Amino acid sequence: DIQMTQSPSSLSASVGDRVTITCRASQSISTYLNWYQHKPGKAPKLLIYAASSLQSGVPSKFSGTGSGTEFTLTISGLQPEDFATYYCQQSYNTPQTFGQGTKVEIK
Amino acid sequence: DVQLVESGGGLVKPGGSLRLSCAASGFTFSSYNMHWVRQAPGKGLQWVSSISGSSSHIYYADSLTGRFTMSRDNTINALYLQMNSLRAEDTAVYYCARQYVNTLWDAFDIWGHGTMVTVSS
Repeated sequence: DIQMTQSPSSLSASVGDRVTITCRASQSISTYLNWYQHKPGKAPKLLIYAASSLQSGVPSKFSGTGSGTEFTLTISGLQPEDFATYYCQQSYNTPQTFGQGTKVEIK
Repeated sequence: DVQLVESGGGLVKPGGSLRLSCAASGFTFSSYNMHWVRQAPGKGLQWVSSISGSSSHIYYADSLTGRFTMSRDNTINALYLQMNSLRAEDTAVYYCARQYVNTLWDAFDIWGHGTMVTVSS
């Protein structure tokens, strides 16, 4: 199975900050990398697919980069509704493994 | 609206069984691969199983060791997860998710809100 490792596991940030989350794959996955936002009690939400493409309806403050084994998710201008846990996921092969998550908390 | 609604969760004793359901609406259900993903308390998302649109391909996480069976009924737009020999470590919120696929990418674009399974004596 492909292992996905996110860093950091958690971070504290203020409203208006820019934050970056890193995801590393244990082998090359080209750009088969997705990012999800998950809030407690809610359905996970697809933010970014194919490493850098914004899902329909997702604000442009979210952006993704990377290919191969290293990827980043950047959130610009954090707002209260952005405080959540973010997961990367590889869709290169089955099982479609997730990173362990990065919890973005209010400072 | 495109929607997935899970049901069937609850409290079950270790060694017991439970059948989860996921009702799909608003899209051509048979055209999509579907997945179950779970989240144990305080843990991250864990992929559980997947099934192709025609049920010809079904995959499971290695850790399930044959205890879970995924199926679907395209005539009523329903997805199922039969869980047997349940263990405490199976306690989690179980989500069903739709996999969107094209030639360049694929992702879980629609998710349900989940159903809670608690395995405890």
